[in-house]
Amino acid sequence: ETGVTQTPRHLVMGMTNKKSLKCEQHLGHNAMYWYKQSAKKPLELMFVYNFKEQTENNSVPSRFSPECPNSSHLFLHLHTLQPEDSALYLCASSQERSSSYNEQFFGPGTRLTVL
Amino acid sequence: GQNIDQPTEMTATEGAIVQINCTYQTSGFNGLFWYQQHAGEAPTFLSYNVLDGLEEKGRFSSFLSRSKGYSYLLLKELQMKDSASYLCAVRDTDAGGGNKLTFGTGTQLKVEL
Repeated sequence: ETGVTQTPRHLVMGMTNKKSLKCEQHLGHNAMYWYKQSAKKPLELMFVYNFKEQTENNSVPSRFSPECPNSSHLFLHLHTLQPEDSALYLCASSQERSSSYNEQFFGPGTRLTVL
Repeated sequence: GQNIDQPTEMTATEGAIVQINCTYQTSGFNGLFWYQQHAGEAPTFLSYNVLDGLEEKGRFSSFLSRSKGYSYLLLKELQMKDSASYLCAVRDTDAGGGNKLTFGTGTQLKVEL
């Protein structure tokens, strides 16, 4: 595998279900991110992890719970979601260096539908 | 906070040149990115500007004016495969670790024959 991978690619869940999204980066990066992309809206940053430590929680409801066990893996645990949480969830990673673009590399996303 | 504006849609002809504008009002600024996103795919990095001026990369160029809070992405010799959404994103100066980007809604470009 290369780049940033995400599983599953598609997920349909009921409001009472618990599920998890998985992201893995094969780039040796030290920062990872979760974004939400809804139709007609900008990409919204949800969480940032830098060296496995959460450095940003962008006022995300507690029904979304991130976990970063190591620099290569990032999870988003979901429980009691609402239909308005249906969206594309994108994971990204970057290598934070003081003298570089530090551009983010994105995974293909998980298309989530909450019924 | 950050506010980023870009046109919702644009249409251009194959072989032509198109300019996609982005304006921003931000509490902090540490660089501006352009990403390309084809339907159903991941955004991919196109360009980065942190100083005023033009950055050229093949058929794509990006310009920044920090005093005007303005950037544009210029696409030359348009090809059908350039039909995609183009996302403007501003990086915050927040040094909390990681790389906090705020994105615009994206400009959907359609290239026609």
